[in-house]
Amino acid sequence: NAGVTQTPKFRVLKTGQSMTLLCAQDMNHEYMYWYRQDPGMGLRLIHYSVGEGTTAKGEVPDGYNVSRLKKQNFLLGLESAAPSQTSVYFCASSSTQGYQPQHFGDGTRLSIL
Amino acid sequence: DAKTTQPPSMDCAEGRAANLPCNHSTISGNEYVYWYRQIHSQGPQYIIHGLKNNETNEMASLIITEDRKSSTLILPHATLRDTAVYYCIVRVRGGSQGNLIFGKGTKLSVKP
Repeated sequence: NAGVTQTPKFRVLKTGQSMTLLCAQDMNHEYMYWYRQDPGMGLRLIHYSVGEGTTAKGEVPDGYNVSRLKKQNFLLGLESAAPSQTSVYFCASSSTQGYQPQHFGDGTRLSIL
Repeated sequence: DAKTTQPPSMDCAEGRAANLPCNHSTISGNEYVYWYRQIHSQGPQYIIHGLKNNETNEMASLIITEDRKSSTLILPHATLRDTAVYYCIVRVRGGSQGNLIFGKGTKLSVKP
């Protein structure tokens, strides 16, 4: 059972560089989410998607873009990385059926120098 | 969504029951109580949820007070692998957004 897979697991970037984080789920879930977690804090929602081709802003969307071209994939992009975006990024997915828990990936640890 | 209050940390002896409290005094009638945990460096893991009745699954039990203003997550026989940060979250069931608002949670340390 793969569940939610995030790639890469680790990455170091220089300020101003761009990159894309990939999230893939094999559970046929409609909903997908991107969170960031900073030291000593809970998770904060960046962007989310309620279905293929749809995206919406969460609590902290600035500096990020997302795309959901395929139901199973949710991409998070940093166009011009900044040190403030150093964080651990978690992707999650959930079903639309009643209350279904969110399933999380193991995270991507991103450092911006 | 209602705000929750949890103690920042707790200790528990291995093999004993771990009782993690959560205060949610402003909870409304259609809001559920959910518990997740996060083991170091891993993604959060769903544990259990409930509305007003006590709930039990293979991982834990959830006890919700009659006035629903507080709840307790019970791990009946804590092991070292249960050391984690536990998050109590209150929100409306379902919905098109579905994002979870994580506070700082309770850091549970299970000691041998």
